[in-house]
Amino acid sequence: QVQLVESGGGVVQPGRSLRLSCAASGFIFSNYGIHWVRQAPGKGLEWVAGVSYDGSDKYYADSVKGRFTISRDNSKNTLYLQMNSLSAEDTAVFYCAKDSGRYCTSTSCSRSWDFDYWGQGTLVTVSS
Amino acid sequence: QSALTQPASVSGSPGQSITISCTGTSSDVGTYNLVSWYQQHPGKAPKLMIFEVGKRPSGVSNRFSGSKSGNTASLTISGLQAEDEADYYCCSFAGSSTFVLFGGGTKLTVL
Repeated sequence: QVQLVESGGGVVQPGRSLRLSCAASGFIFSNYGIHWVRQAPGKGLEWVAGVSYDGSDKYYADSVKGRFTISRDNSKNTLYLQMNSLSAEDTAVFYCAKDSGRYCTSTSCSRSWDFDYWGQGTLVTVSS
Repeated sequence: QSALTQPASVSGSPGQSITISCTGTSSDVGTYNLVSWYQQHPGKAPKLMIFEVGKRPSGVSNRFSGSKSGNTASLTISGLQAEDEADYYCCSFAGSSTFVLFGGGTKLTVL
């Protein structure tokens, strides 16, 4: 079965950096786009970033552009989010979410821009 | 770009039907048939309930349906059950600059 397991969250001071990881299993990781979505405490969902199946295309929300970098290592079935210049407004549970990729060739699936599997999330707290 | 607009809360009694609206603009909901809906129970990850406006993933009850008219998408839940009580979020592709927008979320209470 599909599993996404995030790690790397924790407490970090404002202005510092943190890298999140998402280990994927149960599907052909290298065929699908994958995203980060966050949820501040008591708030709604906010899409953060996405990356294409091969890592060649990357997409960011305006709120993180220039500070966050999404990447993937298909040899390790792992997604990353490098977060720099963190502020209190970045405090949230960060989820990785698989793009549904409904229309596939033998080697890749289109971006469907909806998310059929989610991890359990990892909490990032930015505080001094 | 701003988040999609949803009512903060809706409620209904068991067996009744409710509809949650999701209002966007001509740059997102109004242009793309890439509207999805997610159910989130407290402390849990979101679950995909509807994709491409009105399609249901395998395993999702047919009590859940989606539609769109102009810049507004809607999620309808018929035959309300206690287990439907949760937060619901709409989501839309918003073009090659903004990419993805979520609604602010709607808390569904089953009375």
